[in-house]
Amino acid sequence: DIRMTQSPASLSASLGETVNIECLASEDIYSDLAWYQQKPGKSPQLLIYNANSLQNGVPSRFSGSGSGTQYSLKINSLQSEDVATYFCQQYNNYPWTFGGGTKLELK
Amino acid sequence: EVQLVESGGGLVQPGRSLKLSCAASGFTFSNYYMAWVRQAPKKGLEWVATISTSGSRTYYPDSVKGRFTISRDNAKSSLYLQMNSLKSEDTATYYCARRDWDPYFDFWGPGTMVTVSS
Repeated sequence: DIRMTQSPASLSASLGETVNIECLASEDIYSDLAWYQQKPGKSPQLLIYNANSLQNGVPSRFSGSGSGTQYSLKINSLQSEDVATYFCQQYNNYPWTFGGGTKLELK
Repeated sequence: EVQLVESGGGLVQPGRSLKLSCAASGFTFSNYYMAWVRQAPKKGLEWVATISTSGSRTYYPDSVKGRFTISRDNAKSSLYLQMNSLKSEDTATYYCARRDWDPYFDFWGPGTMVTVSS
């Protein structure tokens, strides 16, 4: 199975700050990577697919990048509604696997 | 508006069975692969099963293969997950999810909680 390692596990940032979340795959996943946002008590929502494509309706302050085994999610100008846990998911090889999550809080 | 609503969760004893349902609306259900993804309490996400548009192809991770069966009824726009020989480690919130063209999940239901305990 492909192991997805996210860092950091938790993060505290101020409003307006830029935040970066990393996701490392145990092997090359050829940009077959999605990012999800899960707010407390809610189901996950798709933010980014194919490593850098923004899902319809997602604010442009969210962006994704990376290739090979290393990927990142960037949030520009952090807003209060961005408080959530963020997960990456690879879909290059079965079984599809998720990262352990990054919990983002406001400082 | 795309809507997915799960039902059928609850408390079940180890070794017993449970069947989850997901009612879909707001899109042409028969055109999409569908999936189940679960999340143990305070834990991460785990993909559980995927089914093709016609239902002829199904996919599972080793953790549930042989115990869980995904199925669908396109006439009823409904997705199902039959779970047999349940274990305590199957305790989780189970989400119904729509799979986009590539195998990421573009819409999720609110989830249904399954607790496996004696």
